[in-house]
Order: sequence, then C-alpha cells, then structure tokens
Amino acid sequence: DVVLTQTPPTLSATIGQSVSISCRSSQSLLHSNGNTYLNWLLQRPGQPPQLLIYLVSRLESGVPNRFSGSGSGTDFTLKISGVEAEDLGVYYCVQSTHAPLTFGSGTKLEIK
Amino acid sequence: EVQLMETGGGLVQPGKSLKLTCATSGFTFSTAWMNWVRQSPEKGLEWIARIKPKSTNYATEYAESVKGRFTISRDDSKSSIYLQMNSLKEEDTATYYCTRGGIDYWGQGVMVTVSS
Repeated sequence: DVVLTQTPPTLSATIGQSVSISCRSSQSLLHSNGNTYLNWLLQRPGQPPQLLIYLVSRLESGVPNRFSGSGSGTDFTLKISGVEAEDLGVYYCVQSTHAPLTFGSGTKLEIK
Repeated sequence: EVQLMETGGGLVQPGKSLKLTCATSGFTFSTAWMNWVRQSPEKGLEWIARIKPKSTNYATEYAESVKGRFTISRDDSKSSIYLQMNSLKEEDTATYYCTRGGIDYWGQGVMVTVSS
C-alpha cells in the first residue's frame, strides 16, 4: 500500500501567518492517465473531513483562495497564506491513484 | 445540495453483526462510486470498502482488514449504500463514514463500538 508521510504532525500559527504542510508518498502518484490523484482534507473539531483541494492543486468550490496545493510525483505541499481562526483542525492528504486509497496521518493546526 | 447520512451504528458484542446504511441525495447516485471509510484514534482514517456503478456490475473492493467479514452493497432506487459487518472485532471500533467517489463528500459519520 502507498504510505503518505505528513510533516509536521503539529503546527502552531498566529492569525495571518502563512504555513505549509508536506505530504510525501512512498511511490509516485502520477496515474497512467496523466492525472495525479492527491487531495487535501480538513477535519475541524467534531466534524467529518471536508475536501479542500483535489488533483494536487484544484480548489474545491467554496474553499477560500488562501489555500493552495502544489507538487508532483511523490512530494506535495498544502499552503495556507494567512491563517484564520476557522482554519484550526487536522489536515490530511489522501491518494487514490493506487489501490487501496490511503490517507496521511494528519497535521494538527493550532492557533496561538 | 449533496447530502450523505449514515445510520445503524451502536454498541455490539465481539463476534456479532451490524448493518450500516448511508442515504444520499443531491447528486446522480446511480453513476457514482461510493466508499466506506472509518476513523479511530489508533489507526486514523482507513478506507475499507468501495462499490462501483451498475455499468461495472456493481464491482466491489475491500481493505484486507475487513475482507471476508464486511460486505458493501447499494440500492440505486433508494440512492443508498450499505455495509454489512459480520464477525465484528474490538479493533473495528471506529466512526464510520460513507463518502462519494473521489472522497469529495462525506457523511456526518456513525459510531460503532465493539465491546463485551
């Protein structure tokens, strides 16, 4: 199975600060069809995960544009440009290029 | 508006069975791939089962951890999927979510506790 390694496991940020989360895959996530099926999710306290970014860098409808995704192959990054209080929670990367679908272990964002 | 709602969770003894239901609305269910994903403090988020549309003969896939014990099914007339869980183990204790296709929409989740 593909292993997704997220760093850091926890992140503490002040309002307005920019932060990045890394997701590294144990194998390339480039599908034979040319797509890279790497998504980012946010799970707020007491809520189910919600989709933020799909196909590495495409912003889900309704998600603020302070969120951005980048990367290719095995290295991916989620960036939040100007953290807001509502951004606290646990961020997960998830891949569906290779079966079975697998998740990263999560990065907990705390607001200072 | 896309909605998914899981029901059927609860407390069950090891070795017993439980069936979860996920009712959906707001999208074309009959052509959607659907998944069950569970979350526990010990294992984090874990994909456990997928069912594909009628065009694939309702093909199913399972994680090794549940293969042979869990069965995913769907009823397109009710826009619903199901998870029949047999021979439950304590390590199956988790919150169970149904999700659409590419893990874009999630239900609120339902808690399953396996304990004597």
